Amino acid sequence: KAGVTQTPRYLIKTRGQQVTLSCSPISGHRSVSWYQQTPGQGLQFLFEYFSETQRNKGNFPGRFSGRQFSNSRSEMNVSTLELGDSALYLCASTWTGRLNTEAFFGQGTRLTVV
Amino acid sequence: ELKVEQNPLFLSMQEGKNYTIYCNYSTTSDRLYWYRQDPGKSLESLFVLLSNGAVKQEGRLMASLDTKARLSTLHITAAVHDLSATYFCAVDSANFGNEKLTFGTGTRLTIIP
Repeated sequence: KAGVTQTPRYLIKTRGQQVTLSCSPISGHRSVSWYQQTPGQGLQFLFEYFSETQRNKGNFPGRFSGRQFSNSRSEMNVSTLELGDSALYLCASTWTGRLNTEAFFGQGTRLTVV
Repeated sequence: ELKVEQNPLFLSMQEGKNYTIYCNYSTTSDRLYWYRQDPGKSLESLFVLLSNGAVKQEGRLMASLDTKARLSTLHITAAVHDLSATYFCAVDSANFGNEKLTFGTGTRLTIIP
């Protein structure tokens, strides 16, 4: 069974540019969540999508956005990049509907803003 | 706002010793998760704890949950070098499933031969 796939694995962008990250969840999973991991702030929740709808949103500025497609694949976009956006971005795939669900994480996309 | 606190932040232990990592959280929740992260890697799910008094064990790791005390522990028995990693607890703050996890700060565990 294939795991969660995130692309690309590494990105280097310049301040002011925008970036799009992709996440393909485990087959059959309909929920995709995004997290940002930095040394200073740790792991922080960005947003969660289920059946193409955003259900939860963290405390990030509007420059961070996302969407989910009908095949459950999700993308997140960061516009007008700032140096502080440098981080490991992780997506998690969950099969909701049962109490004993667990989130499976992808390998992450490491974004460096210069 | 849900807060999740882990301690200690750093832990060096000798092989063969036992130790416990603590995870406190601030609001009512009956879903708590433990993850492991190796340097430069993603998060690996270790335990899913879904009810008060839940206890799960896998190898040298055992996790427990006390929802009344809002406390979870991760106990390491007879540590071995392979357990060196950063361990995170996470609490689900959404209404169902675990689609919105609030993570603790992490405990960086180093096992010394």
